[in-house]
Amino acid sequence: NAGVTQTPKFQVLKTGQSMTLQCAQDMNHEYMSWYRQDPGMGLRLIHYSVGAGITDQGEVPNGYNVSRSTTEDFPLRLLSAAPSQTSVYFCASSSPGRNEQFFGPGTRLTVL
Amino acid sequence: DAKTTQPTSMDCAEGRAANLPCNHSTISGNEYVYWYRQIHSQGPQYIIHGLKNNETNEMASLIITEDRKSSTLILPHATLRDTAVYYCIVRVANYRSGQGNLIFGKGTKLSVKP
Repeated sequence: NAGVTQTPKFQVLKTGQSMTLQCAQDMNHEYMSWYRQDPGMGLRLIHYSVGAGITDQGEVPNGYNVSRSTTEDFPLRLLSAAPSQTSVYFCASSSPGRNEQFFGPGTRLTVL
Repeated sequence: DAKTTQPTSMDCAEGRAANLPCNHSTISGNEYVYWYRQIHSQGPQYIIHGLKNNETNEMASLIITEDRKSSTLILPHATLRDTAVYYCIVRVANYRSGQGNLIFGKGTKLSVKP
């Protein structure tokens, strides 16, 4: 199993540009989530999904959209990037029968 | 907001036990105590979890007080590779609802020194 994969690893955007951060897992996990981590801070939950077709907002959802059309994929869309969205983004997944969440390696995003 | 309180930082000598405390005085009866760690800039890694009994696995031990208002994560023989930020999180063990989300605080930065 590849586990949780995220692409790209690094990205630089200009203010106002849009992009999609990709997240995929091959463990057939129902639950997936997106976090952002700013320097010196803990992770903050952006959006999560408890299954295909079901998404909900976390602590800091503004400026981000998600969809979950398949069990495997959970993309995060930035519609109009802002410098305040400069951060490291982590995707995670789990299943109801497991206690731990598995995290991806992260995407480092800089918005100029 | 995170429901736990942890010291900002701790030091530990290599080979000695590292004891990381966590206060969770408002924990509910159906909430578990989870510990994750984050090494450098990697994604967090699950360590251990418990409800009310002490737990041990290959990575660590978790001691939960009888009133469940605090806990201690013990790394029995800390190595340099254990240098990381350690997060104590309380949550219900149910990913089918938003209550099961992991809510991270700032954690404890553990520095293991030679």
